[in-house]
Formats: sequence, C-alpha cells, structure tokens
Amino acid sequence: QKEVEQDPGPLSVPEGAIVSLNCTYSNSAFQYFMWYRQYSRKGPELLMYTYSSGNKEDGRFTAQVDKSSKYISLFIRDSQPSDSATYLCAMSAEGGKLIFGQGTTLQVKP
Amino acid sequence: KAGVTQTPRYLIKTRGQQVTLSCSPISGHRSVSWYQQTPGQGLQFLFEYFSETQRNKGNFPGRFSGRQFSNSRSEMNVSTLELGDSALYLCASSLDGTNGSPLHFGNGTRLTVT
Repeated sequence: QKEVEQDPGPLSVPEGAIVSLNCTYSNSAFQYFMWYRQYSRKGPELLMYTYSSGNKEDGRFTAQVDKSSKYISLFIRDSQPSDSATYLCAMSAEGGKLIFGQGTTLQVKP
Repeated sequence: KAGVTQTPRYLIKTRGQQVTLSCSPISGHRSVSWYQQTPGQGLQFLFEYFSETQRNKGNFPGRFSGRQFSNSRSEMNVSTLELGDSALYLCASSLDGTNGSPLHFGNGTRLTVT
C-alpha cells in the first residue's frame, strides 16, 4: 500500500463548478501538507502549504487537513478552464523529502 | 526573482551512456532536491543537498548521484543508463530544506533513453 493515495481521475467538470480533490495517507509522522498544480510540460507549482489540521484559504482555493482521519482536500471554487491541469498532493515528515500522491487530472470544460 | 532553472530541457541518450543534469536554485535558496517523475511511479525523491552535503537519499541505485557547489547550484549524474531511466527529472529548491521551507520546482529535464 502506498503511503499517499490519490484518485488519478480524470475528473471533468463544467466551468464554474466547485471541484473537490482528495488524498489519504497512512504515515502519522507527516506534518506538512502541500498541493501542487502541474501543467503539461511544466514543473509542479506550489498552490497551498499547510501545517496544522483545519482550513486554509487563498483566493478560489481552500486546503483542508484532517490529521485524525489522515485525509486532506483541496477545493477550487468557480473553476475556470485555466484550472485544467494535474493536481498533486504532497506531504513531508522530514525536510527536503516530499511524498507525492499520483496526481489527479482535472479538466474544466467551458 | 528568477525561478529554479534546469538545463537542458530535453536529452536523448543511448543505453549504457551517462548523463549530467544541471539545476540553478532560486537566489538565496541553499537546499536542492531532485525528483524523478514517471507515469507509472509518479514523483519519487532522489536526494537532497544542503551546503554541498547530501542530507537525505531516496531508494534509487548507486548509478544515480549528485553534488552541490558552493553557490548552491547542483548537478545530478546517472551512469550506465537503462531504458527505465527515461523520465522527467525535476529539481526543487528551498531556503533551508526544513519542513517550514516549501519546495519550488523547476520545469525539469526530459530524459529519453533509447
């Protein structure tokens, strides 16, 4: 079993929809949780970075961490075609070493 | 501020050859990490360098090695290339490599081994 599980999708939604992306993990030592967005032929771009359980909001993006359930989520409000990309969750127990989920491919249709 | 720069963007090599990839971190960042990305395995950690010292290493064979220079720039070397080494190799930098210092990635080097 992988340390971090993420549904690869693909996930297709209409423009304006609320998108929910999720990851589960098994290692209780993970302390920091990140969401990256990766466009085709590009490197991952950091979207959200959280430490504690709870919610963190940045514009249309909300990251949610539930350490008791070992479950993290990323919500995208008012999704746009430009949000079409692969979304990767990542987490770390020790600095410099991230454990990534497989990534979820999202397509937002106009 | 310029982002993480990786060169070259694309490489085609033959089995048995060796290859060197280069990474320039964001100015002021002293930690550099390397990751391999493949469709089957996703992103996997190779190693992390800080102040010219390897601090952490992933589960890859010894054919994969790296180094960091005094200006924080880093190189990664793969010797005796195998077909399975075909992947996107990503470099990421952070201020000090601690958990409180998020990683910022470059656009990678696409390596194809034939």
